[in-house]
Amino acid sequence: GAGVSQTPSNKVTEKGKYVELRCDPISGHTALYWYRQSLGQGPEFLIYFQGTGAADDSGLPNDRFFAVRPEGSVSTLKIQRTERGDSAVYLCASSLKLTGELFFGEGSRLTVL
Amino acid sequence: GQNIDQPTEMTATEGAIVQINCTYQTSGFNGLFWYQQHAGEAPTFLSYNVLDGLEEKGRFSSFLSRSKGYSYLLLKELQMKDSASYLCAVKGRYSGAGSYQLTFGKGTKLSVIP
Repeated sequence: GAGVSQTPSNKVTEKGKYVELRCDPISGHTALYWYRQSLGQGPEFLIYFQGTGAADDSGLPNDRFFAVRPEGSVSTLKIQRTERGDSAVYLCASSLKLTGELFFGEGSRLTVL
Repeated sequence: GQNIDQPTEMTATEGAIVQINCTYQTSGFNGLFWYQQHAGEAPTFLSYNVLDGLEEKGRFSSFLSRSKGYSYLLLKELQMKDSASYLCAVKGRYSGAGSYQLTFGKGTKLSVIP
């Protein structure tokens, strides 16, 4: 596609449930990032993929969060046993090169009740 | 640690000039980005500075002083559509495997009034 695509755009779930958020980056972009943005805050880094491997997962807040990118393109962010504090917009971004700008998707708004 | 400071909110008049400041203290520095984010939308790239000085791009300019840990975004001939949040982001130290840490400030919400 022309841009970074994220689904679902909105997800409402109950505390304790499992959630998957999907990101389809710009074709040809090998670098993929996940960020989390709470209301009134800037994006907070979660994890970075270069190709299929998670090159930097230092931003994942705890072991309930996990992300995969099995074929080096689409990525899925997985959140287990969701908590109300996980409510935020989850942004995915991709980049063509190491020093390049990030292209962001519209985000997936997660609400945990 | 990483610390990036921006004013929370600013208001300016249509047609005027506004300067949004950003100061940073980060472990390593490899460049600074400015992004624009309209409410409910994705951030979009505005500018990138890696060397000291002014980068001009149409109505938008961005300045960097590495020795002072300081940058600003200058918006000229303000239009109503410029009402948005402006995010300063610092590319910090190389974290290995092709990744640099990119840390965002909280953003400055700019309101342009008639």
